[in-house]
Amino acid sequence: DGGITQSPKYLFRKEGQNVTLSCEQNLNHDAMYWYRQDPGQGLRLIYYSQIVNDFQKGDIAEGYSVSREKKESFPLTVTSAQKNPTAFYLCASSIVAGGYNQPQHFGDGTRLSIL
Amino acid sequence: AQKITQTQPGMFVQEKEAVTLDCTYDTSDQSYGLFWYKQPSSGEMIFLIYQGSYDEQNATEGRYSLNFQKARKSANLVISASQLGDSAMYFCAMREPNSGNTPLVFGKGTRLSVIA
Repeated sequence: DGGITQSPKYLFRKEGQNVTLSCEQNLNHDAMYWYRQDPGQGLRLIYYSQIVNDFQKGDIAEGYSVSREKKESFPLTVTSAQKNPTAFYLCASSIVAGGYNQPQHFGDGTRLSIL
Repeated sequence: AQKITQTQPGMFVQEKEAVTLDCTYDTSDQSYGLFWYKQPSSGEMIFLIYQGSYDEQNATEGRYSLNFQKARKSANLVISASQLGDSAMYFCAMREPNSGNTPLVFGKGTRLSVIA
C-alpha cells in the first residue's frame, strides 16, 4: 500500500543532543512538508521541499534542519538550538503537477519529548 | 493576522444530530483551496473534503458537506447524522495560491465530542 512512514513513533532527546526524525513516502509525490503540532496551536510549517536537493523554510524553521537527497525521503533534524522541541511532528507529501485539488497526505507522526 | 480562524475550541453534539464547525479565512488571492482534516486521538490526519475558490457548488463527501460562502470568506464543515466515531479534532486549512506544491496553512482546530 502507498503511504508515508514516519519513524520512530516516540523519541526522547537529551539536553544538547541533535535528533533526526525519518519520513519516507512511496506515493511518488514531488513535494514534502514538515509540520509541528503543539496543544491548542494547530499545525505550523517548519520546512518544505518541492523537488530533490531544494527546500524552503516555513514559519518556524529556527533550530531545525532538513535534507532532500532522494524523492522518497525528507528527514528532519531537531538541533540543540531548538530550545523547546517537545511536540508532535507530522510529515506530509503532495502531488505538484495538476495537483491543485489534491490534499496533502500525512504520516502518523513522531512524538518528541525532552528527557 | 491569522489566515485561518476556527472560533470554536470545543463542540458537543448528540449522536445522530448534525453539527456545523466554523472556519473563516483571510486571503487576497482569487485562487485558493480550502481543506478539512480530521485528527482522532491517535494523531493521524485524515483528509475529509476540499473546496476550490472557483467551485460554484458546495462540496459534499458522504456525511460531510462544506458550506462555502465566498463573500463572507467562510467555509464551514457540516457533519450530518453524527456518530461516536466522529469525536476528534477537526482542522480547516487553506492553500493559496492553489497549486499542488503550496503548503497548507492550518487553523487551530475544533475538538468535537459526540455524546450517546
